[in-house]
Amino acid sequence: AQTVTQSQPEMSVQEAETVTLSCTYDTSESNYYLFWYKQPPSRQMILVIRQEAYKQQNATENRFSVNFQKAAKSFSLKISDSQLGDTAMYFCAFAYSGGGADGLTFGKGTHLIIQP
Amino acid sequence: EPEVTQTPSHQVTQMGQEVILRCVPISNHLYFYWYRQILGQKVEFLVSFYNNEISEKSEIFDDQFSVERPDGSNFTLKIRSTKLEDSAMYFCAGDALLVNNEQFFGPGTRLTVL
Repeated sequence: AQTVTQSQPEMSVQEAETVTLSCTYDTSESNYYLFWYKQPPSRQMILVIRQEAYKQQNATENRFSVNFQKAAKSFSLKISDSQLGDTAMYFCAFAYSGGGADGLTFGKGTHLIIQP
Repeated sequence: EPEVTQTPSHQVTQMGQEVILRCVPISNHLYFYWYRQILGQKVEFLVSFYNNEISEKSEIFDDQFSVERPDGSNFTLKIRSTKLEDSAMYFCAGDALLVNNEQFFGPGTRLTVL
């Protein structure tokens, strides 16, 4: 079974700064997907970015990018030019891609606070 | 843009009562999921559903839980006899292509068991 670890329970940065949220995972699989989900105070789960394990190129979505290190089983999220609206819980998640409707395995989350 | 909807947004019930949580997935989605998030904790997978049957389930999904998609539209989670520890947010999610594994979540139902 896979596990996902987020070692930063809470982080706080100033608006416009860059922040990196860490995530490590453990799996014996070689084909999988990794995700970052954002959960604002409304508690809606919003997909921020996804990465296929077979792709070496790091995914980017506007101000959001990842640093995917497959050998180290590390998947960090970088938020550039942080905005007040980025304040939320951020969850790292793992999905096996070998077939079958496996659910996502989530980490415990990092509460990110963007200070004005 | 199509979205997953869930009703009710908040359900309060007495311990021992049955509750049904409802979800309307995006129409072209084929795989459906329920997750639970106890307040302050991580999101946990409960069950997945494909082709009108359960595909996978976690150890949390015991005999008190059931799912169905009775009319090809609504996807429901039933808890037969609620316990205090069932209080949580329950999220429904859907996935169009399993290989994509990009699940779209509903806004959640907050269940409070008194």
